Amino acid sequence: DVKVTQSSRYLVKRTGEKVFLECVQDMDHENMFWYRQDPGLGLRLIYFSYDVKMKEKGDIPEGYSVSREKKERFSLILESASTNQTSMYLCASSQGSAGANVLTFGAGSRLTVL
Amino acid sequence: AQSVTQLDSQVPVFEEAPVELRCNYSSSVSVYLFWYVQYPNQGLQLLLKYLSGSTLVKGINGFEAEFNKSQTSFHLRKPSVHISDTAEYFCAVGLEPYTGTASKLTFGTGTRLQVTL
Repeated sequence: DVKVTQSSRYLVKRTGEKVFLECVQDMDHENMFWYRQDPGLGLRLIYFSYDVKMKEKGDIPEGYSVSREKKERFSLILESASTNQTSMYLCASSQGSAGANVLTFGAGSRLTVL
Repeated sequence: AQSVTQLDSQVPVFEEAPVELRCNYSSSVSVYLFWYVQYPNQGLQLLLKYLSGSTLVKGINGFEAEFNKSQTSFHLRKPSVHISDTAEYFCAVGLEPYTGTASKLTFGTGTRLQVTL
């Protein structure tokens, strides 16, 4: 019954490596989001996409990029990982453009950058 | 821009006691309000939401929240908690998006509810 799947639950990478975090949803949702979760800071939006190949910056896009080539898949890319990007990354999806839409979240990907 | 303040980072409570998790928001326009819950090692799931109408909203697992426009608050309550309610709770606000884009939620910093015997 899993609807938003994040490919890796735990990753350990080295400083300077290129990192891909993958997210797939099977609900045919239009919108997909990447959030970062840190203790005491809650969830902060990195990027979101409201259509294939369309993307918008969130509140903390620096150091990240995204790709959405297919409707069901949304990738977060760290071009050159740094230690301050050690965090929990949460992917979510929603349907439609209304403000009342509910987000469906994946289980998260915990990234450690050494 | 909208913002959300969760006043308590941690709330310890004994089982079967009542609990209130506080949430205040700021926005110059009407908002939609949500509470999400995150159980250990899981993603977030919706607990309840306020869109319009009755200011008292009931959610899953016996939780409810009351929207208070004058105090810009959306506090979460449960009359009797269980050990299984131990989790992190996030308040969030959403706005109607600009045409052609998507609504994005702004989350609070979270409140960790710790229920003990």
